[in-house]
Amino acid sequence: DAGVIQSPRHEVTEMGQEVTLRCKPISGHDYLFWYRQTMMRGLELLIYFNNNVPIDDSGMPEDRFSAKMPNASFSTLKIQPSEPRDSAVYFCASSFRGGALYGYTFGSGTRLTVV
Amino acid sequence: AQTVTQSQPEMSVQEAETVTLSCTYDTSESDYYLFWYKQPPSRQMILVIRQEAYKQQNATENRFSVNFQKAAKSFSLKISDSQLGDAAMYFCAYSYSGGGADGLTFGKGTHLIIQP
Repeated sequence: DAGVIQSPRHEVTEMGQEVTLRCKPISGHDYLFWYRQTMMRGLELLIYFNNNVPIDDSGMPEDRFSAKMPNASFSTLKIQPSEPRDSAVYFCASSFRGGALYGYTFGSGTRLTVV
Repeated sequence: AQTVTQSQPEMSVQEAETVTLSCTYDTSESDYYLFWYKQPPSRQMILVIRQEAYKQQNATENRFSVNFQKAAKSFSLKISDSQLGDAAMYFCAYSYSGGGADGLTFGKGTHLIIQP
């Protein structure tokens, strides 16, 4: 398996623009997580899905953020409109049965810069 | 809510020496997992080692071992025979192992520098 695949690897956008980050989890994994990493706040869990259903989105910072998982092999994280404070590295991770027992696999992350 | 604290923002060690990274956590649960992740400049999150809270034996993976003190809620990582490739950010993380999943709660990280 190629692991968790995220695209794009880097994204530079202007304030106010819509940004869509993409993630393909490992086949057979039933949990998908979106994390954000910043210098100030470290790694934060934004939202996670189980069998394509959002379970906990309490970490989503604002209504400008939304995430979807239309099928077991694809998820998106959308920011609309984007702001400079959204600049961060966004990670997607997937796991089988929650991850605590079987482990979490992370993608390479998307570095987002909003100017 | 669970919290994970790494009190050492940066550590430096000579190549081939041993270094210990500290981590404490707070939880009201009795059954959980603890992890150490390595993040090199490539930013890939790499699992180093995992400890199950119900196991008293400390986990070991080659040069990496942990000192898990459940009562003290302490989970330190020891790296023996440090190598230049060990230079990275190291994150301690907690995951509840109850029904469903809560994802990982991370500490702020320790930047490990290896001096040649």
